[in-house]
Amino acid sequence: GENVEQHPSTLSVQEGDSAVIKCTYSDSASNYFPWYKQELGKGPQLIIDIRSNVGEKKDQRIAVTLNKTAKHFSLHITETQPEDSAVYFCAAKGGSTLGRLYFGRGTQLTVWP
Amino acid sequence: GAGVSQTPSNKVTEKGKYVELRCDPISGHTALYWYRQSLGQGPEFLIYFQGTGAADDSGLPNDRFFAVRPEGSVSTLKIQRTERGDSAVYLCASSLMGGLGSPLHFGNGTRLTVT
Repeated sequence: GENVEQHPSTLSVQEGDSAVIKCTYSDSASNYFPWYKQELGKGPQLIIDIRSNVGEKKDQRIAVTLNKTAKHFSLHITETQPEDSAVYFCAAKGGSTLGRLYFGRGTQLTVWP
Repeated sequence: GAGVSQTPSNKVTEKGKYVELRCDPISGHTALYWYRQSLGQGPEFLIYFQGTGAADDSGLPNDRFFAVRPEGSVSTLKIQRTERGDSAVYLCASSLMGGLGSPLHFGNGTRLTVT
C-alpha cells in the first residue's frame, strides 16, 4: 500500500514568519493529497487539498505544492499567527484504494507571539 | 450545520469487555469511514462504508473488530474482548460521496481506554 512520510515532526516559528511542512509518498498512482489541522481534543479539520492534475493551490495564507515526478508535496503557511499552532497531517489517496487515506505522522507547529 | 457526531467522547473499559462506539455522519453523506489514532501518530484507516455496505474493511486489525451501518446513516464500531492495545482515539469521518471528489469531514473522536 501507500507509505506517506512527513517532516519535520516539530516546527517552531515566530509570529509572522512562514512555515513549510513536507511530505513524500510512495504510490505513483496516488491522485489526491489533503492536509488536515488537528487541535488538542478535536478531530482533524481539512484545510486544503490538491489533486494530481494540479501543481499548486492557494487559499489566503495557505498554499500546497505537488511534484508528481518526485512524489512529494508541501504545505506553506505565510504570515503565521499563534492560532495556527496545532498538529498538521498530510495524507494521500491511492488510485486503487477507494476512500482510503494514508496519513503522515504529523507535524507539531508552534507559533510564538 | 451539524458536523460528524461521535458518542461517547470518552470510554473506559476493562480488558476483555465488549464496547460499541457510535458515529452520526453529516446528513446526506453517503460515505462513512472509521480511523484509529494512537498517541503521536496519524489516523490509521479501519473501514469504509458506501451506503450500507462495507466497501473496504481491509484496515480492521483482526476479527474482534466489526462495524455496521444498517440504514446507510449511523454507524457503530464494535470491539469484542478488548485488549490494552486497543486503547486509542477512534475517529469517524463522512463525505458526500466516496472517491476523489469529496473531502472527508472528521468527528472529534471517541477516546477508548482499556484498563
